[in-house]
Amino acid sequence: GQQLNQSPQSMFIQEGEDVSMNCTSSSIFNTWLWYKQDPGEGPVLLIALYKAGELTSNGRLTAQFGITRKDSFLNISASIPSDVGIYFCAGSSGSARQLTFGSGTQLTVLP
Amino acid sequence: EADIYQTPRYLVIGTGKKITLECSQTMGHDKMYWYQQDPGMELHLIHYSYGVNSTEKGDLSSESTVSRIRTEHFPLTLESARPSHTSQYLCASSELGARGEAFFGQGTRLTVV
Repeated sequence: GQQLNQSPQSMFIQEGEDVSMNCTSSSIFNTWLWYKQDPGEGPVLLIALYKAGELTSNGRLTAQFGITRKDSFLNISASIPSDVGIYFCAGSSGSARQLTFGSGTQLTVLP
Repeated sequence: EADIYQTPRYLVIGTGKKITLECSQTMGHDKMYWYQQDPGMELHLIHYSYGVNSTEKGDLSSESTVSRIRTEHFPLTLESARPSHTSQYLCASSELGARGEAFFGQGTRLTVV
């Protein structure tokens, strides 16, 4: 099946710093999604990308759909303590449109 | 904000018991999903449904079963729970024409002792 490689696996940053994480795939996706999951909760959709090259922002978050359709990145600017959590990328392709999830990036923001 | 609810949030149960995890959504979504997730790990699709009376197995083999008798309800059942079933189970839903966007419930943390 399709696999997504998400990196880094974990990050420790100082409050106020910018963060970048990315996902790559050997397969082409038609949609890239970024989710955030807090401990003990379900994932919450942050950003959805539908077109190669598309750059979309949601507050301090910016995500891009790679030109090759095989990768995507998520940037968080000026991190704050509530940004702590696990960030997952997910891609879908084909008529079935089932989501394939990356392994997640655990973000820790130090005061 | 997504309106999808899972009960119970936490369940500790003995080996061999039958359990049903409930999932309901009030958004009128046709597609519903069950994912299994170990702590801090990626999500694995175990079941999905395109609508009433439609159920399909996902990428990860699971001993659980699902049913879809009503649009808003997608329960997951384990006939005989085992310690290997200990995990978090996440329910999600999406519109039929959605380009992949799924909205998740809060999850059920299952522990089988």
